Amino acid sequence: NAGVMQNPRHLVRRRGQEARLRCSPMKGHSHVYWYRQLPEEGLKFMVYLQKENIIDESGMPKERFSAEFPKEGPSILRIQQVVRGDSAAYFCASSPLSGGNSPLHFGNGTRLTVT
Amino acid sequence: AQSVTQLDSQVPVFEEAPVELRCNYSSSVSVYLFWYVQYPNQGLQLLLKYLSGSTLVKGINGFEAEFNKSQTSFHLRKPSVHISDTAEYFCAVSGGQGAQKLVFGQGTRLTINP
Repeated sequence: NAGVMQNPRHLVRRRGQEARLRCSPMKGHSHVYWYRQLPEEGLKFMVYLQKENIIDESGMPKERFSAEFPKEGPSILRIQQVVRGDSAAYFCASSPLSGGNSPLHFGNGTRLTVT
Repeated sequence: AQSVTQLDSQVPVFEEAPVELRCNYSSSVSVYLFWYVQYPNQGLQLLLKYLSGSTLVKGINGFEAEFNKSQTSFHLRKPSVHISDTAEYFCAVSGGQGAQKLVFGQGTRLTINP
């Protein structure tokens, strides 16, 4: 059973470009979470999605960031007009159930570098 | 709102020595508690979890943790560490039913010296 797949592993963008990060959850998982990890910091929650629905986006910056999890295909985290401060590792996690007692399964992350 | 404090940002220990990584949390509701490990350039892997029941929880790779409600702590321990335990360790809390997201601590970098 394949784990959570994230691509690309590394992404370099110039300031002002768009970044698209993809996440395919584990088979049978319909709950997806995105986290951001800045250098020397822990993981910060960004957004929680179920198929076709955003459940909790309380950690998403108000501008330039968006996320989706369509009925078919991977979840996408989109960052428009990237700035240097967006450089970070972005992790996707999935779980089969809702509820705080369901452990999350993490992908290996996408490391975004903005030059 | 929940929060997690990992009291040590770095912990160096010698191989085969015991180790304890400290974690304290704050929450106004009953919680679920987790420890994750992150090896370089990888995602997070679940070490162990406390959901209910026995306060002493055993996980993978010989790690265990004890939930202490009165002290709001969930310290991680291993009696004898190995070089391969060198990694970043994260404590996390979720706020029970209906509160799905995990809140993470800042992480503790465990370095094992030969």
